[in-house]
Amino acid sequence: QKEVEQNSGPLSVPEGAIASLNCTYSDRGSQSFFWYRQYSGKSPELIMFIYSNGDKEDGRFTAQLNKASQYVSLLIRDSQPSDSATYLCAVGGSGAGSYQLTFGKGTKLSVIP
Amino acid sequence: DGGITQSPKYLFRKEGQNVTLSCEQNLNHDAMYWYRQDPGQGLRLIYYSQIVNDFQKGDIAEGYSVSREKKESFPLTVTSAQKNPTAFYLCATLGRLSYEQYFGPGTRLTVT
Repeated sequence: QKEVEQNSGPLSVPEGAIASLNCTYSDRGSQSFFWYRQYSGKSPELIMFIYSNGDKEDGRFTAQLNKASQYVSLLIRDSQPSDSATYLCAVGGSGAGSYQLTFGKGTKLSVIP
Repeated sequence: DGGITQSPKYLFRKEGQNVTLSCEQNLNHDAMYWYRQDPGQGLRLIYYSQIVNDFQKGDIAEGYSVSREKKESFPLTVTSAQKNPTAFYLCATLGRLSYEQYFGPGTRLTVT
């Protein structure tokens, strides 16, 4: 059974600070990694994806992947109150399983003005 | 305006009734998925379809059924056999970049 683990939070950070969200996964063969943002009562929205070890930056967001440690993280710089949401980590399988994602339960982030 | 639509947004049913949730997309994506989300829980895969007239069970298919007669449409029926049907139901498609999934707005189903 593939597992994706996230701290449920809530993670509270002051406005302007860096928020760090973490995720570990059990399937060593996983090839693709995604971060989704989900506002309360809404559907998940894709914000980042990463396939290779290292960092990937997009605006205020940086995704970090370490396949050896089976660890993926999301950094949000200059956090804003509008970033307050639940962040879901999702991991794709390998081969035929690449078309399926396993989701973590999400980390709730609260950015305090 | 391209996207994924789900209807209705809210749905209320009595226990013992079957109900069908709609999912339509005009993105020309091949693969479509149905997930269920319960409070404080991650998304759990119910069914998925990679091509028309073919679909596969996910992790929690019991009590659900689907059809894929058209590329654009992937309706989900919640049958009376589903023991705990009250949940937030999300439809998704597989994008063209590589394995990323995009979600519709969801249908919140309440069964009493």
